[in-house]
Amino acid sequence: GESVGLHLPTLSVQEGDNSIINCAYSNSASDYFIWYKQESGKGPQFIIDIRSNMDKRQGQRVTVLLNKTVKHLSLQIAATQPGDSAVYFCAENILGFQKLVFGTGTRLLVSP
Amino acid sequence: DTEVTQTPKHLVMGMTNKKSLKCEQHMGHRAMYWYKQKAKKPPELMFVYSYEKLSINESVPSRFSPECPNSSLLNLHLHALQPEDSALYLCASSLGVANEKLFFGSGTQLSVL
Repeated sequence: GESVGLHLPTLSVQEGDNSIINCAYSNSASDYFIWYKQESGKGPQFIIDIRSNMDKRQGQRVTVLLNKTVKHLSLQIAATQPGDSAVYFCAENILGFQKLVFGTGTRLLVSP
Repeated sequence: DTEVTQTPKHLVMGMTNKKSLKCEQHMGHRAMYWYKQKAKKPPELMFVYSYEKLSINESVPSRFSPECPNSSLLNLHLHALQPEDSALYLCASSLGVANEKLFFGSGTQLSVL
Protein backbone atom coordinates (compact mmCIF):
# COMPACT_ATOMS: atom_id res chain seq x y z
CA GLY A 1 0.00 0.00 0.00
CA GLU A 2 0.99 3.65 -0.20
CA SER A 3 1.88 5.88 2.72
CA VAL A 4 -0.09 9.09 3.01
CA GLY A 5 3.08 10.83 4.12
CA LEU A 6 4.70 10.26 0.71
CA HIS A 7 2.08 12.25 -1.20
CA LEU A 8 1.89 16.00 -1.46
CA PRO A 9 -1.55 17.62 -1.40
CA THR A 10 -2.41 18.40 -5.01
CA LEU A 11 -4.47 21.17 -6.58
CA SER A 12 -5.51 20.56 -10.19
CA VAL A 13 -6.80 23.50 -12.23
CA GLN A 14 -7.49 24.39 -15.83
CA GLU A 15 -5.39 26.96 -17.64
CA GLY A 16 -6.89 30.41 -17.15
CA ASP A 17 -8.52 29.56 -13.81
CA ASN A 18 -7.58 31.31 -10.59
CA SER A 19 -5.74 29.12 -8.07
CA ILE A 20 -5.75 29.38 -4.31
CA ILE A 21 -3.15 27.54 -2.28
CA ASN A 22 -3.55 27.49 1.49
CA CYS A 23 -1.15 27.14 4.37
CA ALA A 24 -1.70 26.89 8.10
CA TYR A 25 1.13 27.96 10.35
CA SER A 26 1.52 27.00 13.97
CA ASN A 27 3.57 29.67 15.70
CA SER A 28 1.78 32.86 16.70
CA ALA A 29 5.20 34.50 17.11
CA SER A 30 5.94 34.17 13.39
CA ASP A 31 6.31 37.64 11.91
CA TYR A 32 7.44 37.14 8.32
CA PHE A 33 6.08 34.79 5.66
CA ILE A 34 7.23 33.80 2.20
CA TRP A 35 5.79 31.76 -0.66
CA TYR A 36 8.23 29.76 -2.76
CA LYS A 37 7.73 27.86 -6.01
CA GLN A 38 9.83 24.76 -6.65
CA GLU A 39 10.01 23.11 -10.05
CA SER A 40 11.40 19.64 -10.53
CA GLY A 41 15.19 19.55 -10.28
CA LYS A 42 15.44 23.17 -9.12
CA GLY A 43 15.78 25.04 -5.87
CA PRO A 44 12.88 27.01 -4.35
CA GLN A 45 12.19 30.28 -6.16
CA PHE A 46 10.90 33.33 -4.28
CA ILE A 47 7.38 34.41 -5.28
CA ILE A 48 6.12 36.92 -2.72
CA ASP A 49 6.49 37.77 0.95
CA ILE A 50 4.43 39.48 3.63
CA ARG A 51 5.17 40.81 7.10
CA SER A 52 2.85 40.34 10.05
CA ASN A 53 1.82 44.02 10.11
CA MET A 54 0.03 43.50 6.78
CA ASP A 55 -2.91 41.30 5.79
CA LYS A 56 -2.60 41.46 2.01
CA ARG A 57 0.12 42.00 -0.54
CA GLN A 58 -0.08 41.88 -4.32
CA GLY A 59 2.49 41.07 -6.95
CA GLN A 60 2.29 40.31 -10.60
CA ARG A 61 -0.60 37.81 -10.95
CA VAL A 62 -0.12 36.74 -7.32
CA THR A 63 -1.68 37.87 -4.06
CA VAL A 64 -0.81 36.71 -0.55
CA LEU A 65 -3.37 36.96 2.25
CA LEU A 66 -2.47 36.66 5.92
CA ASN A 67 -5.02 35.95 8.64
CA LYS A 68 -3.21 36.10 11.96
CA THR A 69 -6.35 35.34 13.96
CA VAL A 70 -6.56 31.81 12.59
CA LYS A 71 -2.87 31.53 11.62
CA HIS A 72 -3.61 31.07 7.93
CA LEU A 73 -1.77 32.14 4.81
CA SER A 74 -2.96 31.84 1.23
CA LEU A 75 -1.48 32.37 -2.21
CA GLN A 76 -3.78 33.36 -5.03
CA ILE A 77 -2.57 33.00 -8.60
CA ALA A 78 -4.65 34.74 -11.25
CA ALA A 79 -5.10 33.31 -14.75
CA THR A 80 -3.04 30.21 -13.96
CA GLN A 81 -0.73 29.06 -16.75
CA PRO A 82 0.90 25.67 -17.45
CA GLY A 83 4.23 27.23 -16.43
CA ASP A 84 2.80 27.70 -12.93
CA SER A 85 2.80 23.91 -12.44
CA ALA A 86 5.17 23.25 -9.53
CA VAL A 87 5.25 22.57 -5.80
CA TYR A 88 4.44 25.62 -3.69
CA PHE A 89 5.77 26.03 -0.15
CA CYS A 90 4.86 28.58 2.46
CA ALA A 91 7.62 29.44 4.91
CA GLU A 92 7.53 31.33 8.21
CA ASN A 93 10.16 33.16 10.21
CA ILE A 94 9.72 33.15 13.94
CA LEU A 95 10.33 36.51 15.62
CA GLY A 96 13.77 36.66 17.13
CA PHE A 97 15.06 33.59 15.33
CA GLN A 98 17.13 33.54 12.18
CA LYS A 99 15.30 30.52 10.91
CA LEU A 100 12.93 30.07 7.98
CA VAL A 101 10.69 27.02 8.47
CA PHE A 102 8.88 25.51 5.50
CA GLY A 103 5.36 24.09 5.38
CA THR A 104 4.60 20.71 3.83
CA GLY A 105 3.96 22.01 0.29
CA THR A 106 1.17 21.78 -2.29
CA ARG A 107 1.58 20.49 -5.83
CA LEU A 108 -0.20 22.66 -8.43
CA LEU A 109 -1.06 20.92 -11.69
CA VAL A 110 -2.28 23.13 -14.53
CA SER A 111 -3.82 21.43 -17.54
CA PRO A 112 -4.20 23.19 -20.89
CA ASP B 1 24.86 38.69 -10.35
CA THR B 2 21.67 37.49 -8.65
CA GLU B 3 22.47 33.80 -8.42
CA VAL B 4 23.48 31.26 -5.85
CA THR B 5 25.69 28.71 -7.59
CA GLN B 6 26.11 25.18 -6.27
CA THR B 7 28.55 22.52 -7.40
CA PRO B 8 28.44 19.72 -8.20
CA LYS B 9 24.85 19.28 -9.42
CA HIS B 10 24.98 15.54 -8.80
CA LEU B 11 27.21 13.48 -6.53
CA VAL B 12 27.42 9.75 -5.88
CA MET B 13 29.60 8.64 -3.00
CA GLY B 14 30.32 5.56 -0.96
CA MET B 15 29.97 5.44 2.79
CA THR B 16 33.75 5.65 3.29
CA ASN B 17 34.31 8.58 0.94
CA LYS B 18 35.04 12.21 1.79
CA LYS B 19 33.51 14.82 -0.48
CA SER B 20 32.61 18.49 -0.37
CA LEU B 21 29.67 20.51 -1.65
CA LYS B 22 30.35 24.09 -2.69
CA CYS B 23 28.16 27.18 -2.80
CA GLU B 24 28.96 30.68 -4.03
CA GLN B 25 27.10 34.00 -4.16
CA HIS B 26 28.25 37.45 -5.25
CA MET B 27 25.24 39.46 -4.12
CA GLY B 28 26.93 40.81 -1.00
CA HIS B 29 24.65 38.73 1.19
CA ARG B 30 25.76 38.38 4.80
CA ALA B 31 23.92 35.19 5.73
CA MET B 32 24.27 31.76 4.11
CA TYR B 33 22.39 28.55 4.77
CA TRP B 34 22.43 24.82 4.15
CA TYR B 35 19.12 23.00 3.82
CA LYS B 36 18.45 19.30 3.21
CA GLN B 37 15.44 18.18 1.19
CA LYS B 38 14.17 14.63 0.83
CA ALA B 39 11.84 13.71 -2.03
CA LYS B 40 8.30 15.11 -1.68
CA LYS B 41 9.25 16.88 1.57
CA PRO B 42 9.95 20.51 2.43
CA PRO B 43 13.53 21.78 2.86
CA GLU B 44 14.86 21.35 6.40
CA LEU B 45 17.38 23.76 7.87
CA MET B 46 20.81 22.36 8.74
CA PHE B 47 23.17 25.32 9.31
CA VAL B 48 23.16 29.11 9.26
CA TYR B 49 26.20 31.37 8.90
CA SER B 50 25.93 35.07 9.74
CA TYR B 51 28.84 37.31 8.86
CA GLU B 52 30.97 34.19 8.26
CA LYS B 53 30.28 32.81 11.75
CA LEU B 54 28.22 29.69 12.43
CA SER B 55 25.09 30.93 14.19
CA ILE B 56 22.75 27.94 13.97
CA ASN B 57 23.42 24.19 13.89
CA GLU B 58 20.14 22.26 13.90
CA SER B 59 21.64 19.26 15.74
CA VAL B 60 23.15 17.97 12.52
CA PRO B 61 25.37 14.83 12.84
CA SER B 62 29.10 15.55 12.84
CA ARG B 63 29.57 13.65 9.57
CA PHE B 64 28.35 16.94 8.03
CA SER B 65 30.85 19.75 8.57
CA PRO B 66 30.13 23.24 7.28
CA GLU B 67 32.75 25.85 6.46
CA CYS B 68 32.50 29.50 5.42
CA PRO B 69 35.92 30.55 4.06
CA ASN B 70 34.70 34.07 3.19
CA SER B 71 31.51 36.05 2.76
CA SER B 72 30.88 34.65 -0.74
CA LEU B 73 31.63 30.97 -0.22
CA LEU B 74 30.02 28.19 1.77
CA ASN B 75 31.16 24.57 1.82
CA LEU B 76 29.66 21.42 3.27
CA HIS B 77 32.20 18.68 3.96
CA LEU B 78 30.85 15.13 3.96
CA HIS B 79 32.47 12.13 5.61
CA ALA B 80 31.25 8.62 6.44
CA LEU B 81 27.71 9.32 5.27
CA GLN B 82 24.87 6.83 5.45
CA PRO B 83 22.46 5.85 2.66
CA GLU B 84 19.68 7.75 4.48
CA ASP B 85 21.69 10.95 3.94
CA SER B 86 20.84 10.75 0.23
CA ALA B 87 18.89 13.93 -0.53
CA LEU B 88 18.95 17.26 -2.34
CA TYR B 89 21.25 19.68 -0.50
CA LEU B 90 20.30 23.29 -1.00
CA CYS B 91 22.38 26.37 -0.32
CA ALA B 92 20.74 29.74 0.20
CA SER B 93 21.75 33.28 1.04
CA SER B 94 20.04 36.40 2.33
CA LEU B 95 21.02 40.04 2.50
CA GLY B 96 20.43 40.35 6.21
CA VAL B 97 20.37 37.91 9.03
CA ALA B 98 16.69 37.99 10.04
CA ASN B 99 13.33 38.37 8.33
CA GLU B 100 14.84 38.41 4.87
CA LYS B 101 13.95 36.40 1.83
CA LEU B 102 16.31 33.57 1.01
CA PHE B 103 17.71 33.05 -2.47
CA PHE B 104 18.31 29.38 -3.23
CA GLY B 105 20.70 27.57 -5.50
CA SER B 106 19.57 24.62 -7.62
CA GLY B 107 21.03 22.15 -5.17
CA THR B 108 23.31 19.13 -5.21
CA GLN B 109 21.52 15.80 -5.60
CA LEU B 110 23.50 13.44 -3.38
CA SER B 111 23.31 9.66 -3.50
CA VAL B 112 25.14 7.64 -0.84
CA LEU B 113 25.71 4.00 -1.76
